Amino acid sequence: DAMVIQNPRYQVTQFGKPVTLSCSQTLNHNVMYWYQQKSSQAPKLLFHYYDKDFNNEADTPDNFQSRRPNTSFCFLDIRSPGLGDAAMYLCATSFQGLSTDTQYFGPGTRLTVL
Amino acid sequence: ILNVEQSPQSLHVQEGDSTNFTCSFPSSNFYALHWYRWETAKSPEALFVMTLNGDEKKKGRISATLNTKEGYSYLYIKGSQPEDSATYLCASYNDYKLSFGAGTTVTVRA
Repeated sequence: DAMVIQNPRYQVTQFGKPVTLSCSQTLNHNVMYWYQQKSSQAPKLLFHYYDKDFNNEADTPDNFQSRRPNTSFCFLDIRSPGLGDAAMYLCATSFQGLSTDTQYFGPGTRLTVL
Repeated sequence: ILNVEQSPQSLHVQEGDSTNFTCSFPSSNFYALHWYRWETAKSPEALFVMTLNGDEKKKGRISATLNTKEGYSYLYIKGSQPEDSATYLCASYNDYKLSFGAGTTVTVRA
């Protein structure tokens, strides 16, 4: 029944070692989002895809990249993780990205950087 | 209000008691206000999407109101139960995206 799946749930990486987080969906939604949430803070949108169109937020560091090879999958690549990148990373989808469209979330990947 | 703000950050409520908390958001260029519930180790799940000033939504013991002119929404939990323990997030839709508040974490004590 899982609709938005994130793997792994917990990821530990070393300072500077590239890491990839994955997200898949069974909803066939057009839009996929990546959020970063640090402790006790609001989830912050990093970027989103509308189909194959990539939309980066202005304040997302270049260290963060994303790929969407097909409708179902989306990846978050952190090229050189720093200690400040330790956070919960949430993937979400919505049908069209309209104001009233519900976003469906995965359970998140908690990233630890050593 | 420039950002979405939620208060209080956390609260404790006795089982059976009712509670409420606030989401404040920019009132200009308002499109929609979303509420989500996020239980520990689970995915955030949608509760309500609200668009009209004065709108009220209800789902079981949980309800929400919306004031778009002054930029706030209240979420109410009536007769709190342990399963209501969660972080409640609100988000305002603007500029083709949702801007979230930091959430209110509710702990229901048995």
